[in-house]
Amino acid sequence: NAGVMQNPRHLVRRRGQEARLRCSPMKGHSHVYWYRQLPEEGLKFMVYLQKENIIDESGMPKERFSAEFPKEGPSILRIQQVVRGDSAAYFCASSPGTGGRRNQPQHFGDGTRLSIL
Amino acid sequence: KQEVTQIPAALSVPEGENLVLNCSFTDSAIYNLQWFRQDPGKGLTSLLLIQSSQREQTSGRLNASLDKSSGRSTLYIAASQPGDSATYLCAGIPSESNTGKLIFGQGTTLQVKP
Repeated sequence: NAGVMQNPRHLVRRRGQEARLRCSPMKGHSHVYWYRQLPEEGLKFMVYLQKENIIDESGMPKERFSAEFPKEGPSILRIQQVVRGDSAAYFCASSPGTGGRRNQPQHFGDGTRLSIL
Repeated sequence: KQEVTQIPAALSVPEGENLVLNCSFTDSAIYNLQWFRQDPGKGLTSLLLIQSSQREQTSGRLNASLDKSSGRSTLYIAASQPGDSATYLCAGIPSESNTGKLIFGQGTTLQVKP
């Protein structure tokens, strides 16, 4: 009975490289949220996706960041041409999507710690 | 812009004490509110969810309440134990949001000493 699975747990990239972060939601969950936790800051919403659709990307930087949640497979958060300021913990959360998207608790993964050299 | 303040930022208590963590929103229009626990290097564990029609929730030694008129929530921990040591985060969904995105406070780091 796996919870939300994120991989890798730790990712090191050099400036200018690409980072791909993966999130497999809990079984039966069709809604995925991505949050970022910068050092010494709280978690900030980035993007909300349902299968094959981006619903709300109001928290995602306009450049270099993209997210997808394909019909099959995990959700991917992609960061192109990474910079030092991208170093953070990236968390994924999922919810069932039934009973109203605002009414269900979000279940979080253990996060991916991204370090940019 | 909705902001969330958690007070205190850090708290150290001896084992067995009852304690209260506070959370307040600049805009009191909160649809629902969730309390989480975060252990170092780990993800978030959901503790309690107060739905839009509710005012409080209880689970074991934990009780959370939400005053929608003021936008304030409290998390009460009874008979604290060393295993309760963690960072506690509150997060709310603003009423105007229809997507369920959570707005987080910066957390209260709790240390319970044996």
